[in-house]
Amino acid sequence: GAVVSQHPSWVICKSGTSVKIECRSLDFQATTMFWYRQFPKQSLMLMATSNEGSKATYEQGVEKDKFLINHASLTLSTLTVTSAHPEDSSFYICSARGRLGDEQFFGPGTRLTVL
Amino acid sequence: AQKVTQAQTEISVVEKEDVTLDCVYETRDTTYYLFWYKQPPSGELVFLIRRNSFDEQNEISGRYSWNFQKSTSSFNFTITASQVVDSAVYFCALRMDSSYKLIFGSGTRLLVRP
Repeated sequence: GAVVSQHPSWVICKSGTSVKIECRSLDFQATTMFWYRQFPKQSLMLMATSNEGSKATYEQGVEKDKFLINHASLTLSTLTVTSAHPEDSSFYICSARGRLGDEQFFGPGTRLTVL
Repeated sequence: AQKVTQAQTEISVVEKEDVTLDCVYETRDTTYYLFWYKQPPSGELVFLIRRNSFDEQNEISGRYSWNFQKSTSSFNFTITASQVVDSAVYFCALRMDSSYKLIFGSGTRLLVRP
């Protein structure tokens, strides 16, 4: 149990386009989802926390208008990187917390490359 | 402020050697949780262990063992008889009881050579 999937697993796009990444909890309802960004050879940095049905809470320094997060259902959260630029190239990882527990279960990550 | 420090950036060992990965944390909270995750080249985070601040018992799971010492704010991870498959980046993380946010250390890249 407690499986989290991400789609796509990798994406290459041109500068200026928008990219949507999906995070799904497959066998549990995720009341809270977290989005992390990991640059090459660096640690995971939390970008934002989203609770189902409410607006996401962004960490300091993360642009809300650039990284749009939607958590419309208990099993799906999406991260949209708007007008992506090469510096947005990174590994994006989501995690989800269930209704009853406090553990976070991580997705496999999405590698974004912006040309 | 909360912080996790993994001073060892990279460690290289020969297979069958024991290796210890260090983790030092900072927090003023009395209730908190510590974690270790493994990130193989595929990128997916693999959960290894969680410890709460009230449980200082050391834990052993197969070739893995963890040494939690509140007196030195450390939560070190030892791999006994390392194997090539242990090669990965290992992250130590901290979470406060009042929040679900995970604060990650910078990671230690472990290379186990045959």
